[in-house]
Amino acid sequence: GDSVTQMEGPVTLSEEAFLTINCTYTATGYPSLFWYVQYPGEGLQLLLKATKADDKGSNKGFEATYRKETTSFHLEKGSVQVSDSAVYFCALRTLSSGSARQLTFGSGTQLTVLP
Amino acid sequence: GAGVSQSPSNKVTEKGKDVELRCDPISGHTALYWYRQSLGQGLEFLIYFQGNSAPDKSGLPSDRFSAERTGGSVSTLTIQRTQQEDSAVYLCASSQSEPNTQYFGPGTRLTVL
Repeated sequence: GDSVTQMEGPVTLSEEAFLTINCTYTATGYPSLFWYVQYPGEGLQLLLKATKADDKGSNKGFEATYRKETTSFHLEKGSVQVSDSAVYFCALRTLSSGSARQLTFGSGTQLTVLP
Repeated sequence: GAGVSQSPSNKVTEKGKDVELRCDPISGHTALYWYRQSLGQGLEFLIYFQGNSAPDKSGLPSDRFSAERTGGSVSTLTIQRTQQEDSAVYLCASSQSEPNTQYFGPGTRLTVL
């Protein structure tokens, strides 16, 4: 079945540091890939997505590139801010016939950015 | 516009009681999903509704869990005879058919004592 493996947390960085959160996946067919973010006390929000190989999703300074050859979708940001402190979830969705199109999530990575 | 809303935001109940959780999807979204977020299991899919089709219940953990969606809009997730392991945050999401990006509500935190 489909699965997502993401970097174990927690991750603690200083402000303006470079961020990478690794995400790899296993899927039948050709999945769409997503990063969701959950800020403290809030619900899940879509951060970015990519629907086919070599697509790059980007939003709020975050980027992730759909790498089919390595089955990866690593999240990066060049300079993190304290306000980026949150839990980040990598997810995939396959569109196989009859599927519910539900998201399959990784376990989440807690990011804390210190001033 | 308005996002996905859920009620109540918090629910504390005693073991063995029944609970109902409500989800109001984004207007015009035909697909509705329920997920559960718990410490031990992460984010798990529970059930999916698409238009007037029969729901996909493949993620429901036991027959104590059921859900309905009335008029293609509001959905209710019912847990009968709650157990302590049902304690979790229950998330609802909705989407259009295409694109299928799912938008999540704030969740209902259920605590079973």
